[in-house]
Amino acid sequence: NAGVTQTPKFQVLKTGQSMTLQCAQDMNHEYMSWYRQDPGMGLRLIHYSVGAGITDQGEVPNGYNVSRSTTEDFPLRLLSAAPSQTSVYFCASKPRQGAVSYEQYFGPGTRLTVT
Amino acid sequence: GEDVEQSLFLSVREGDSSVINCTYTDSSSTYLYWYKQEPGAGLQLLTYIFSNMDMKQDQRLTVLLNKKDKHLSLRIADTQTGDSAIYFCAENNNDMRFGAGTRLTVKP
Repeated sequence: NAGVTQTPKFQVLKTGQSMTLQCAQDMNHEYMSWYRQDPGMGLRLIHYSVGAGITDQGEVPNGYNVSRSTTEDFPLRLLSAAPSQTSVYFCASKPRQGAVSYEQYFGPGTRLTVT
Repeated sequence: GEDVEQSLFLSVREGDSSVINCTYTDSSSTYLYWYKQEPGAGLQLLTYIFSNMDMKQDQRLTVLLNKKDKHLSLRIADTQTGDSAIYFCAENNNDMRFGAGTRLTVKP
């Protein structure tokens, strides 16, 4: 198993550009989520999905869209990048929403800079 | 809202014990966690404790939970340079909520 994979590892965008951060897992997990990590603020939940076709907002959803057309993939879209979205983004998955979180696996992260 | 708080920095000498503290406010959290993040890497689950426990020991790691004071601590015995990392405390009710992370520096 590859676990949770994310691409790209690094990305630089100009303000107003759009892009998609990719996340995939090969563990057949129902639950997937996106976090952003900012210095001094820990990880904050952006969006999550409890299964294919179902997504919901987390703590900081503004400026981001997600979709879940398959169990494996959970892409995060930035429609019009802003400097405030400069951050490190982590994708995570666990078997199902109710699963205890020691079964949660994190991807290696995508470092995004918006100029 | 509910916050998880940790001090941001801790520096110890190699071989000493490290104690990283955390306070949380959601008394309904069922699990509390410690994650380790090394430079450029994702989060690695170190250990967790169920909310009805006071203490959990796992090799060099000891987790203490004071549910009355909503205080969680992680003690690393015989701290090594390889323990240098950022340590995150997290609580879980429906979704996980993380502290800001404590950067542990181990000096030789």
